[in-house]
Amino acid sequence: EADIYQTPRYLVIGTGKKITLECSQTMGHDKMYWYQQDPGMELHLIHYSYGVNSTEKGDLSSESTVSRIRTEHFPLTLESARPSHTSQYLCASSDFSRGTDTQYFGPGTRLTVL
Amino acid sequence: QQQVKQSPQSLIVQKGGISIINCAYENTAFDYFPWYQQFPGKGPALLIAIRPDVSEKKEGRFTISFNKSAKQFSLHIMDSQPGDSATYFCAVSSGSARQLTFGSGTQLTVLP
Repeated sequence: EADIYQTPRYLVIGTGKKITLECSQTMGHDKMYWYQQDPGMELHLIHYSYGVNSTEKGDLSSESTVSRIRTEHFPLTLESARPSHTSQYLCASSDFSRGTDTQYFGPGTRLTVL
Repeated sequence: QQQVKQSPQSLIVQKGGISIINCAYENTAFDYFPWYQQFPGKGPALLIAIRPDVSEKKEGRFTISFNKSAKQFSLHIMDSQPGDSATYFCAVSSGSARQLTFGSGTQLTVLP
């Protein structure tokens, strides 16, 4: 079992609210990722980070933002949630500096915006 | 444009049968081909992976077959069990960024 944690697991919130999805890993991995996944569908990369103070946008355009102030922590923020943001958000990490390709995923946050 | 095409979308097999899921890709620069398994309410987890220098890799009941010339790779699950019921994703990766691009997923149901 990978040591990567996401909170909250489920979130139901109204339109216009600001939300932050938390992701933490205890494996000392340098690279971290956020994916968006509709139930049973493919994963789309929305953000990634090579390390502290590094953030990059992924293949899927997203209105969310991320920050990487600490190696182990990679939160995702939506300034103003909309129903179109309803989805599952998966955080992952990998030991990129060692050249390994394996990504370890957290359990996900299921977000519903009313 | 989809970088990796996965089929079938869903698959139902009897317990003890063989499950086969296929993926096809276009970019010959891809050099890492993993399969991830995802159970409901969980994040995906690496099941097995292969690099293009070998044509087959086996781990227990799970085998990847890789056909470099056809640009295809497949997952074979031998003696399928109800506990194998999950969604399976193939993925591809290349380049210095080592980003994974995932297939669309196959929902496998193994009947008892």
